[in-house]
Amino acid sequence: EIVLTQSPGTLSLSPGERATLSCRASQSVSSSYLAWYQQKPGQAPRLLIYGASSRATGIPDRFSGSGSGTDFTLTISRLEPEDFAVYYCQQYGSSLSFGQGTKVEIK
Amino acid sequence: EVQLVESGGGVVQPGGSLRLSCAASGFTFDDYAMHWVRQAPGKGLEWVSLISGDGGSTYYADSVKGRFTISRDNSKNSLYLQMNSLRTEDTALYYCAKDLLEMATIFDYWGQGTLVTVSS
Repeated sequence: EIVLTQSPGTLSLSPGERATLSCRASQSVSSSYLAWYQQKPGQAPRLLIYGASSRATGIPDRFSGSGSGTDFTLTISRLEPEDFAVYYCQQYGSSLSFGQGTKVEIK
Repeated sequence: EVQLVESGGGVVQPGGSLRLSCAASGFTFDDYAMHWVRQAPGKGLEWVSLISGDGGSTYYADSVKGRFTISRDNSKNSLYLQMNSLRTEDTALYYCAKDLLEMATIFDYWGQGTLVTVSS
């Protein structure tokens, strides 16, 4: 089973700042089969990125994904107030697993 | 507009059973695989089970294999999860999720979830 480790656990930033979230896999994720989700309190997760870098329908272009192999990154170029949430990565190249999440909170 | 509405959650004793349902609308149901994903209180996401669009293929997480059964009724646009031999560690919010493609295992739409509490 591929274990995904997200860092940092919590990211404290101000609106307008850049957020960089990391997702590291215990073994290579085939074909960059890596997705990112956003979850706000009391809400279901929302798909942001799949295939490591493809934005899902309706996702603003301030969200971008990159990486390959074992190291992946979600970048939010300029944080909007609605972006403060928990973010999960998920690999679907070998079975399926989620990271433990990174909370982006207002500083 | 895609809508997924779960139902059937509740409080059950360890060893008991529960059947969850998910009513889908807004897309061609049998074109897509469907999933159940759960989230224990205050914890992260855990994939539970997957069923192909025609219902012919099913997959389970090791943690539920042999105890849970996923099924679908394409004539009713509905997804189900039969949960037997429930354990306290099965306590979670259970989400129904649509696959982005037939079997991509990417979740592009989610319901609001139904809460299952296993407790004596």
